[in-house]
Amino acid sequence: EAGVAQSPRYKIIEKRQSVAFWCNPISGHATLYWYQQILGQGPKLLIQFQNNGVVDDSQLPKDRFSAERLKGVDSTLKIQPAKLEDSAVYLCASSLGLTDGRYGYTFGSGTRLTVV
Amino acid sequence: AQSVTQLGSHVSVSEGALVLLRCNYSSSVPPYLFWYVQYPNQGLQLLLKYTSAATLVKGINGFEAEFKKSETSFHLTKPSAHMSDAAEYFCAVSAAGGYNKLIFGAGTRLAVHP
Repeated sequence: EAGVAQSPRYKIIEKRQSVAFWCNPISGHATLYWYQQILGQGPKLLIQFQNNGVVDDSQLPKDRFSAERLKGVDSTLKIQPAKLEDSAVYLCASSLGLTDGRYGYTFGSGTRLTVV
Repeated sequence: AQSVTQLGSHVSVSEGALVLLRCNYSSSVPPYLFWYVQYPNQGLQLLLKYTSAATLVKGINGFEAEFKKSETSFHLTKPSAHMSDAAEYFCAVSAAGGYNKLIFGAGTRLAVHP
C-alpha cells in the first residue's frame, strides 16, 4: 500500500511569512495526525482528526496555526505568521481507528521547516 | 495521563555489542507501548509494539522489547549491533481504549562504532 505522502520536503521562509504543508494519508485511514518535532525532542501532537472532524487540538497554537481536513482525506497545516521557534519537522501520520490504540501510526517523511 | 521517559539521550556501542535503550512509562490505564526508529531526514518507522499479549515482543531488524509492568519499563534490546542501526529511537505510549493518542519520549540517539 502507498504510504503517507507529505509535501514539500523542505521549506525555508522568513519570520512573519506564512507557510502551508500538505498531507495525504493511507487510503482508508480515518484518523490523521499532525506532529511537530523540534530538533532534539520527541514529536509533539498538534492536532488529531477523525474523518473531517477535530478530536484533539489542545496543543495547537491557534493564534498562528490552523489545520483542516476537507472531505476527510488529505489535510493542510498552515502557519501564519511564522516565528523562529516554529523551525521544526512537521510530521503527518494516519491510523486505522480512533479508539483502538494498538495499531500505532504510519508516518510520512515529514516537512522540515526553517524560519530565518 | 500518559508519559514516557527515555534514559540517555545518546548511547554509543561497538559493532557486534549488545544494544540496550531504556524506556519507562507512566499510565493511569493499561498502556500500549511502541518503539519507533527515525533515520536522518526520514519519518518514523515502527519497530515493534506491545498490545497486552505476550510481554516479550519481537520486532524488525532483530530488535525486541520486554514489557515489565512491575517496573513500568519497556526497554529495547538487540543482541548484536550493526552499523546500519545508527539512528534515533523513540519510545511511545498510548492508552488502551483511549483516543489513540501517541505520547513520545525525547528520543535516544544510537551511535555504532566499528
